[in-house]
Amino acid sequence: GENVEQHPSTLSVQEGDSAVIKCTYSDSASNYFPWYKQELGKRPQLIIDIRSNVGEKKDQRIAVTLNKTAKHFSLHITETQPEDSAVYFCAATNSGYALNFGKGTSLLVTP
Amino acid sequence: DTEVTQTPKHLVMGMTNKKSLKCEQHMGHRAMYWYKQKAKKPPELMFVYSYEKLSINESVPSRFSPECPNSSLLNLHLHALQPEDSALYLCASSLRLGGISYNEQFFGPGTRLTVL
Repeated sequence: GENVEQHPSTLSVQEGDSAVIKCTYSDSASNYFPWYKQELGKRPQLIIDIRSNVGEKKDQRIAVTLNKTAKHFSLHITETQPEDSAVYFCAATNSGYALNFGKGTSLLVTP
Repeated sequence: DTEVTQTPKHLVMGMTNKKSLKCEQHMGHRAMYWYKQKAKKPPELMFVYSYEKLSINESVPSRFSPECPNSSLLNLHLHALQPEDSALYLCASSLRLGGISYNEQFFGPGTRLTVL
C-alpha cells in the first residue's frame, strides 16, 4: 500500500521567515495530495491540495509543489505568523477516499 | 451550511455502556467517513459510506458500528469499548467517492472519547 513519509517532525521558525515541509510517497499511482493544518484541540483543516496533473499551486502565503518523477511534494509557507503554529499533515491517495497521511510536522512560529 | 458538525464534543463512557456519536453535513456531499485520531498521530480511516451504503470497513472491531440513516447523517454506535479506544473520533465528508475532482475531505470538529 501507499507509504507517506513527512519531514521534519518538528520545525521552529522566527516570525516572518519561511517554512518548508516535505513529503515523499511510494505509490506512483497516487494522484491527489492534500495538506491539512490541525491546531491543538481542533479539527484538521484542508489548507491546500494539488492534483497529479499540476506541478505547483499557490494560495496567498501558502504554496505546494509536486515532483511526480521523484515522488515528493512540499508545503511552503512564506512570511510566517504565530497563528501558523500548528501540526501540518500531508496525505496522498490514488483511490479518491483513502487518505494516507504522513506522521505530521509540528510547526512553531516564534514572535 | 458549509461545515461538518459532530455531537457530542466530549464523551466519557464505561466499558459496559452503549453510546452513539453523531455527524451531520448539509453540503450535499454523498461520501462520509469516520476516522480515529490518537494524540500526536494522524487520523486513521475507519469507515467510508458512499450514497448511504457502507463502502469501506478498515477491519474495525465490531464494537464500533456505523450507520448512515440518510445522506446528511452519519452515526457511530459504540458498545463494550476498551480504554485503548479512547481517542478523538473525526467525521469527514466529500462530494463523492473516487474521481480526481471529488477528493476534498472536510472534517468535523470531532468527539473526544474517554473510555474508563
